[in-house]
Amino acid sequence: DAGVIQSPRHEVTEMGQEVTLRCKPISGHDYLFWYRQTMMRGLELLIYFNNNVPIDDSGMPEDRFSAKMPNASFSTLKIQPSEPRDSAVYFCASSLGPGRGVTGELFFGEGSRLTVL
Amino acid sequence: AQRVTQPEKLLSVFKGAPVELKCNYSYSGSPELFWYVQYSRQRLQLLLRHISRESIKGFTADLNKGETSFHLKKPFAQEEDSAMYYCALLSGGYNKLIFGAGTRLAVHP
Repeated sequence: DAGVIQSPRHEVTEMGQEVTLRCKPISGHDYLFWYRQTMMRGLELLIYFNNNVPIDDSGMPEDRFSAKMPNASFSTLKIQPSEPRDSAVYFCASSLGPGRGVTGELFFGEGSRLTVL
Repeated sequence: AQRVTQPEKLLSVFKGAPVELKCNYSYSGSPELFWYVQYSRQRLQLLLRHISRESIKGFTADLNKGETSFHLKKPFAQEEDSAMYYCALLSGGYNKLIFGAGTRLAVHP
């Protein structure tokens, strides 16, 4: 398995543009997480899904951010409109469900580095 | 509020020196804590869990509920230990992890 796959790896865009980040979790994993990493705040959980259903989106910073998981093998994180303060590395992670994996073990993608000018 | 605090952004040591990466947490229930590591050009990965009471790559971490701490220790640092280390707390929902801001460990020859 190639692990969690994220695209694009790097994105440079201008303020006001729409940004879409994509994630393919590990096959068979029930949970999918989106995190944002910044120097100041470290890793922040934005939202997570269980069996394609959003469970907790309390970390989504504002209405400009939205996430979907239309099926078990694909999720998107969208920012519209983007702002310079959204510049960060966005990580997707997946995990097995209760009783099927190690509790607390998330498998991370390589991240998408977003720069908003 | 549930929180994980890693007070040091950077810890710089020489090879062979002891290492202690600090982690403090705030949690009202019985905590489950983890250390994750990200080596250069590699993905963030689980290093160890407090519940396993294991030693991984020479690292250990003991949960101290009195001090609400979960410090990561290694008696003799190696250059290959240089990496970013994150402490994480299981918070509410299944596998919902809250991470600290991270500490970069630099081990010099």
